[in-house]
Amino acid sequence: DTAVSQTPKYLVTQMGNDKSIKCEQNLGHDTMYWYKQDSKKFLKIMFSYNNKELIINETVPNRFSPKSPDKAHLNLHINSLELGDSAVYFCASSLHPGTGVLFGNTGELFFGEGSRLTVL
Amino acid sequence: LAKTTQPISMDSYEGQEVNITCSHNNIATNDYITWYQQFPSQGPRFIIQGYKTKVTNEVASLFIPADRKSSTLSLPRVSLSDTAVYYCLVGDQIPYSGGGADGLTFGKGTHLIIQP
Repeated sequence: DTAVSQTPKYLVTQMGNDKSIKCEQNLGHDTMYWYKQDSKKFLKIMFSYNNKELIINETVPNRFSPKSPDKAHLNLHINSLELGDSAVYFCASSLHPGTGVLFGNTGELFFGEGSRLTVL
Repeated sequence: LAKTTQPISMDSYEGQEVNITCSHNNIATNDYITWYQQFPSQGPRFIIQGYKTKVTNEVASLFIPADRKSSTLSLPRVSLSDTAVYYCLVGDQIPYSGGGADGLTFGKGTHLIIQP
């Protein structure tokens, strides 16, 4: 069983289109994340949701809109795609939004396998 | 912000012990130090986490000096399959506390290449 699964794994589209990437976790975690890894391999957090509530929004263009219908799902919708949106998008989850000091656990992030988006 | 600095790349050979050091001069009292490993075309995977002194698990050891301004990930007897990018993260991962996303911020990591 895949703990954090993303679909699609590959996505090729034209500039200006709208696309969505879906993510599901079966770990029973409260918190989910979206990360973007660009061609230089820099892995940057975009959003985080805790129990369907947005808790992190890291200066991402408003063309990107996350949606969490329930705590096991976090989808990413991107409007008006641009060339610079080409990247690998990773979904992740953690048991809680915090780490050991308050939550008594490592705050370990579990990542999906990524969705490679190519904008032409 | 507890930013981190790691070497961009390192080379070693099978069977050797590899130590990757991460500098985090501005680490805060509540910050934990976490290391992840990423293989090509995969998401990062948690390796180890520590607060101070030494932590060891079945995969690696993490050495943290008393001032906590740096940390060293130690991989014993590496194999070819340890070739990967290793990321050091520092923060409390608690966005409510005002620490923002520091503990969730991955830098460029260290590309470790193991040769036969």
